[in-house]
Amino acid sequence: GAGVSQTPSNKVTEKGKYVELRCDPISGHTALYWYRQSLGQGPEFLIYFQGTGAADDSGLPNDRFFAVRPEGSVSTLKIQRTERGDSAVYLCASSSSPSSYNEQFFGPGTRLTVL
Amino acid sequence: DAKTTQPPSMDCAEGRAANLPCNHSTISGNEYVYWYRQIHSQGPQYIIHGLKNNETNEMASLIITEDRKSSTLILPHATLRDTAVYYCIVRAIYNQGGKLIFGQGTELSVKP
Repeated sequence: GAGVSQTPSNKVTEKGKYVELRCDPISGHTALYWYRQSLGQGPEFLIYFQGTGAADDSGLPNDRFFAVRPEGSVSTLKIQRTERGDSAVYLCASSSSPSSYNEQFFGPGTRLTVL
Repeated sequence: DAKTTQPPSMDCAEGRAANLPCNHSTISGNEYVYWYRQIHSQGPQYIIHGLKNNETNEMASLIITEDRKSSTLILPHATLRDTAVYYCIVRAIYNQGGKLIFGQGTELSVKP
């Protein structure tokens, strides 16, 4: 079956603009995660959804970052007033449940470049 | 979740076993050891996990020391396609939400 998909694969924007990044999880997966990966670093947790609700948003760096998952499937990560430091690969992952036993399946990521 | 320490890079000859070490000396009794890998320009991929017994699957073997303070991921016959960054992650059994805390990982280069 289809894996996790993310669109766009690349996004170039100017400082101060607003961007939306989309994640389509594996069908039926209730848990969805967003991570951010800067060059040469491991992925960094941003936010986790269980169903429609954000169960843990402790990794969001500030209030410019927001994510939604209105129907418990597709999720959108929204970044307002982008800054050059937001440039990174944004990864989405899904899991059949949030249990520690369940592996997370990652998408290919969206590479965001803020000029 | 406990912190892990891995060497930043390793080389391995194609066809040989790749043994990737991980130190997790502060691991507690309710924490699993997970391994993921990330091939260039792709998202991370789950490999294997274990609690205290050695584990094997079609991808790799995981050897956890008796005191659980360290572990080794073994790729028995490394191929060029195994070139990737390998992450060792410690994660509580009842981790709320199951978020993964990645370190820097080990960059494994498999050479012909």
